[in-house]
Amino acid sequence: KAGVTQTPRYLIKTRGQQVTLSCSPISGHRSVSWYQQTPGQGLQFLFEYFSETQRNKGNFPGRFSGRQFSNSRSEMNVSTLELGDSALYLCASRSGTQPGELFFGEGSRLTVL
Amino acid sequence: AQSVTQLDSQVPVFEEAPVELRCNYSSSVSVYLFWYVQYPNQGLQLLLKYLSGSTLVKGINGFEAEFNKSQTSFHLRKPSVHISDTAEYFCAVSVGGSARQLTFGSGTQLTVLP
Repeated sequence: KAGVTQTPRYLIKTRGQQVTLSCSPISGHRSVSWYQQTPGQGLQFLFEYFSETQRNKGNFPGRFSGRQFSNSRSEMNVSTLELGDSALYLCASRSGTQPGELFFGEGSRLTVL
Repeated sequence: AQSVTQLDSQVPVFEEAPVELRCNYSSSVSVYLFWYVQYPNQGLQLLLKYLSGSTLVKGINGFEAEFNKSQTSFHLRKPSVHISDTAEYFCAVSVGGSARQLTFGSGTQLTVLP
């Protein structure tokens, strides 16, 4: 069974640009969550999607958005990039909506110059 | 709101020695507790979880943790570490009921020395 796949793995953007990150969950998993990891703030929850609906959202500005498609694949978008958006963005999937094991991808490392 | 405190940011230990990584949480309701491990340039992998039942939880790679409700702790232990255990370890909590997001601690870097 393939794991969680995130693309791209690395990318470099400049301030003011926007970026879209993609996540393909484990086959059969309907819940996808996104986390931001930085040395200063650690791991912070961005949002969770289940069956194309956002179920929960963290404390991030509106520049951070996401969506989920009917095949459970998810994308997150960050607009008007700031230097502080440089981070490892991790996607995680799980099979249902109850608390349990999250399966993480290897992340997309975004550098904003 | 729940929070997680990992008391040690760095823990160096010699190979084959025992190790304990400490985690305390705060929550006014019942919680689910997790330990994840992150190797360099990789995502997080679940080591073990406490959802209910026995307070002693065994996980992968010889790790175990004990849920202590009175002390609101969930410390991770291993009786004998290996070089390959060098990684960052994260404690996380998820509040029962409708909340499904994980709140992570700041992480503990475990370095196993030869």
